[in-house]
Amino acid sequence: AQTVTQSQPEMSVQEAETVTLSCTYDTSESDYYLFWYKQPPSRQMILVIRQEAYKQQNATENRFSVNFQKAAKSFSLKISDSQLGDAAMYFCAYRSAINAGNNRKLIWGLGTSLAVNP
Amino acid sequence: GAGVSQTPSNKVTEKGKYVELRCDPISGHTALYWYRQSLGQGPEFLIYFQGTGAADDSGLPNDRFFAVRPEGSVSTLKIQRTERGDSAVYLCASSFTSGGAAEQFFGPGTRLTVL
Repeated sequence: AQTVTQSQPEMSVQEAETVTLSCTYDTSESDYYLFWYKQPPSRQMILVIRQEAYKQQNATENRFSVNFQKAAKSFSLKISDSQLGDAAMYFCAYRSAINAGNNRKLIWGLGTSLAVNP
Repeated sequence: GAGVSQTPSNKVTEKGKYVELRCDPISGHTALYWYRQSLGQGPEFLIYFQGTGAADDSGLPNDRFFAVRPEGSVSTLKIQRTERGDSAVYLCASSFTSGGAAEQFFGPGTRLTVL
């Protein structure tokens, strides 16, 4: 079974600085998808960025980028020029690429609470 | 367009009661997912629908939990004989397709409190 581990329960960053959130995962599959979701106090999960495992190039979305190390099974999120609105819980999630009904679910880490200090 | 909506936003019930939680997915989304998020935890998968059928219900914890999606849009999660351990936020998500790296769009969740 696949697992996702986020080893940093809490992180903090100064406004305008850069922070990196860690995520590791365990799988025997060769093809899969990885996601970072943000959950503000409103509870609504918002997709931040996604990565297909077959792509070697790291995904980037504006101030958000990932460092995907497939051999090390590591998928960290870097937030540049941090803003107050970035404060939230961040969850790393895994999904299999196997085309079967029982592989569509997201498998989640425990999350990292990010505080942004003015 | 409108996002995923869930009703009620909060539900307080007594141990042993029956509850229904509703999810309205984004129009046109064929895939619908239910997750449960306990305090301080990441979401845990409960069930996934493709159209009207439950394609994967392996996450339902026991037979007190049941979900339906009779017309392939709105879904209802039903919990019988509620227990205090059922207290959690129940999240619903939908996606246009279930394949590839399709984004799952989430609703704001229903916070269920069992007294």
